[in-house]
Amino acid sequence: QQQVKQSPQSLIVQKGGISIINCAYENTAFDYFPWYQQFPGKGPALLIAIRPDVSEKKEGRFTISFNKSAKQFSLHIMDSQPGDSATYFCAASQWNTDKLIFGTGTRLQVFP
Amino acid sequence: SAVISQKPSRDICQRGTSLTIQCQVDSQVTMMFWYRQQPGQSLTLIATANQGSEATYESGFVIDKFPISRPNLTFSTLTVSNMSPEDSSIYLCSVDNYNEQFFGPGTRLTVL
Repeated sequence: QQQVKQSPQSLIVQKGGISIINCAYENTAFDYFPWYQQFPGKGPALLIAIRPDVSEKKEGRFTISFNKSAKQFSLHIMDSQPGDSATYFCAASQWNTDKLIFGTGTRLQVFP
Repeated sequence: SAVISQKPSRDICQRGTSLTIQCQVDSQVTMMFWYRQQPGQSLTLIATANQGSEATYESGFVIDKFPISRPNLTFSTLTVSNMSPEDSSIYLCSVDNYNEQFFGPGTRLTVL
């Protein structure tokens, strides 16, 4: 019930392409869905987040799509760049705990 | 966002010893969290630390092994006690700032 399932485990994309990472959850009490980007040797950095009252949120090249009925959300990285090569984690939390439940992570590699 | 620092950034320790990790935030925050990230893995919440109350531990983590202090609204410590090689991980603190969570750079611990 508390799990967040993330796929794929790894992703290789050509420069300029679209990177898509998917997450699914079971707990309908979750109401906050952030994405984090982590470079080797660094802490996770908050990239973008969404709440269930909207179906999409865009910030620059990064877009979250949210499907409440399917209990799924995804991260789209448009015009992927080699500098986007990192591990991406989706997460979820509910308002009364603020405890983040993380997905298993996706290692993205963008080749020139 | 909040600026978070951790000390030490890394350490190599002997089995059976203890290490205290410090987390400092540049602003007052109510909720602080401690996570563990084992090599190549996702993040797992150890405990939630609120100022003025006992830390709340997640399943599988106990106070005797991971004592936490939270003396004020900008500082917390996590001690990893009686260490074994299985405790080799990255330990991260995070803070909740305006309903978003931000992470410190992490402490990379190696136990021999």
